[in-house]
Amino acid sequence: QKEVEQDPGPLSVPEGAIVSLNCTYSNSAFQYFMWYRQYSRKGPELLMYTYSSGNKEDGRFTAQVDKSSKYISLFIRDSQPSDSATYLCAMKGDTSGTYKYIFGTGTRLKVLA
Amino acid sequence: DGGITQSPKYLFRKEGQNVTLSCEQNLNHDAMYWYRQDPGQGLRLIYYSQIVNDFQKGDIAEGYSVSREKKESFPLTVTSAQKNPTAFYLCASSIRVGGSTDTQYFGPGTRLTVL
Repeated sequence: QKEVEQDPGPLSVPEGAIVSLNCTYSNSAFQYFMWYRQYSRKGPELLMYTYSSGNKEDGRFTAQVDKSSKYISLFIRDSQPSDSATYLCAMKGDTSGTYKYIFGTGTRLKVLA
Repeated sequence: DGGITQSPKYLFRKEGQNVTLSCEQNLNHDAMYWYRQDPGQGLRLIYYSQIVNDFQKGDIAEGYSVSREKKESFPLTVTSAQKNPTAFYLCASSIRVGGSTDTQYFGPGTRLTVL
């Protein structure tokens, strides 16, 4: 079993839809959770960075962490064609030496005009 | 503009050749990282460096080498010992390794193809 599971998609939605992207994980030591957006043939761009459980909002993006279920989500409101990209979740622990980020495989999102 | 630059954008290598990928950052970050990205797989860590003149192996270091002679630079050499080098290579940096300041920012990547 992978430490982080992410549906590869592709996920196709109409413009203006609310998008929900998700990751599940197995390691309860993870404390920091990130979402990156990666356009084709480009490097990942950090979108959201959260610590522990709860919600964090930034513009049209909301990151949600449920540590009891080992489940994280990224919601995109009023989705735009420019949101079409691959979204990577990443997470890491908080204990000394656990520097390593664990990445999901990415979900490819297509927002149709 | 502060950021991370990688060069070249595309690189072709013949079998048996060593090639070096460049990574430079002007963010004044102590930590730098190299990842490999393959279709259907998450990013995998090759090497990381916490400070100048120090680096550590990641999960897939075999066939790769690095150096960290300057804070700004962390070049990656893909040697002929790397059996399957065709991939997208990403360099990242963070203020330091570990804790809340370990927010990694990525460069634009280098796509390496073995002919």
